[in-house]
Amino acid sequence: GNSVTQMEGPVTLSEEAFLTINCTYTATGYPSLFWYVQYPGEGLQLLLKATKADDKGSNKGFEATYRKETTSFHLEKGSVQVSDSAVYFCALNPAGNNRLAFGKGNQVVVIP
Amino acid sequence: NAGVTQTPKFQVLKTGQSMTLQCAQDMNHNSMYWYRQDPGMGLRLIYYSASEGTTDKGEVPNGYNVSRLNKREFSLRLESAAPSQTSVYFCASSDYGQRETQYFGPGTRLLVL
Repeated sequence: GNSVTQMEGPVTLSEEAFLTINCTYTATGYPSLFWYVQYPGEGLQLLLKATKADDKGSNKGFEATYRKETTSFHLEKGSVQVSDSAVYFCALNPAGNNRLAFGKGNQVVVIP
Repeated sequence: NAGVTQTPKFQVLKTGQSMTLQCAQDMNHNSMYWYRQDPGMGLRLIYYSASEGTTDKGEVPNGYNVSRLNKREFSLRLESAAPSQTSVYFCASSDYGQRETQYFGPGTRLLVL
């Protein structure tokens, strides 16, 4: 079936540090891949997406590249800010339907 | 545009009570979804509606029913609430198509005692 795996546990880092959150997926066909962000007390917002292999999604300094050979879509940001503290979800939209599959999410805490 | 709106924001129920969660979108989207979010579980799809007049089960439909009232509105009903249904519920909508982004509402926090 379709599934998304995110690295375990929260991520705590200092302001201006480099952030990486790993995401790997299992899917048939050619899914679209997404990163959503959830700020405290809010719903999910789309952060970025990629719809085909080797596409790079980017937004607000975040980037992720759709790697079909490694079935990965890792999220990176070169210099995080306190305002980036949130929960980040990787998700895939399988070929042929719109039933998103989500990873479990990673809490990111950025310390001043 | 308000996007996706949900009511209520927060609700406390006793076991066995019923309630309906309301969702509306003003983006003229064809497809709408209900998810639940539990700690350490990510989001899981309860039901979805690919277009007006159709509904389908998702990953965790037991204990829930849905109604696609019209193109704008998609409600989720708990007929007899159980403590296991304590969760945060999110509604989402999208245009129909594989590549389309889903847009989420602010959520309803439900506590079943």
